[in-house]
Amino acid sequence: DQQVKQNSPSLRVQEGRISILNCDYTNSMFDYFLWYKKYPAEGPTFLISISSIKDKNEDGRFTVFLNKSAKHLSLHIVPSQPGDSAVYFCAASERGGGADGLTFGKGTHLIIQP
Amino acid sequence: DTAVSQTPKYLVTQMGNDKSIKCEQNLGHDTMYWYKQDSKKFLKIMFSYNNKELIINETVPNRFSPKSPDKAHLNLHINSLELGDSAVYFCASSQGLAGVGETQYFGPGTRLLVL
Repeated sequence: DQQVKQNSPSLRVQEGRISILNCDYTNSMFDYFLWYKKYPAEGPTFLISISSIKDKNEDGRFTVFLNKSAKHLSLHIVPSQPGDSAVYFCAASERGGGADGLTFGKGTHLIIQP
Repeated sequence: DTAVSQTPKYLVTQMGNDKSIKCEQNLGHDTMYWYKQDSKKFLKIMFSYNNKELIINETVPNRFSPKSPDKAHLNLHINSLELGDSAVYFCASSQGLAGVGETQYFGPGTRLLVL
């Protein structure tokens, strides 16, 4: 039972264009959402987060949008750069969650093409 | 300076052995975690440890036990290793509890292969 879903296993985007990574969730108790970036043989690196009281958070080239009614969030990267090629994980946490861990999606492999 | 470090990076061992993976964080965080990334690439929480309180994911076999000698360390002990334990194990830490909107920071992972 996947509570966090990333339905696109991979995404190819041309350098300089906008990359949009999508994430859907089913647990209405989630109140904090994060995006992590992961290179091969490394641990996930925190990228950006958003609280459920907001609908947008921006940090440089990265913007996360949250649509609570649709239980959907997205990560926008603009402009996309070659170094952005990585696997991006969407994660969520709920207040008082069982093991206080994050629930992760399966990841989307973003490939930035020159 | 590595914020969250794990040793070893690679671990190859025989079925039935007992092994440990170490984790250290120098961020001054109060909470540490262990995650398992399985063959399907899902990252799943195994344990969280905060102020001597251990919260265990109910799906984790009791062959797995975390040990925290101090706030900066959370080691993972695995007894009687099985083939299905082969995975990448990630340690993470956060200032507070994940359930209150805390960001977690991950170590580089330990790749465990059980033969």
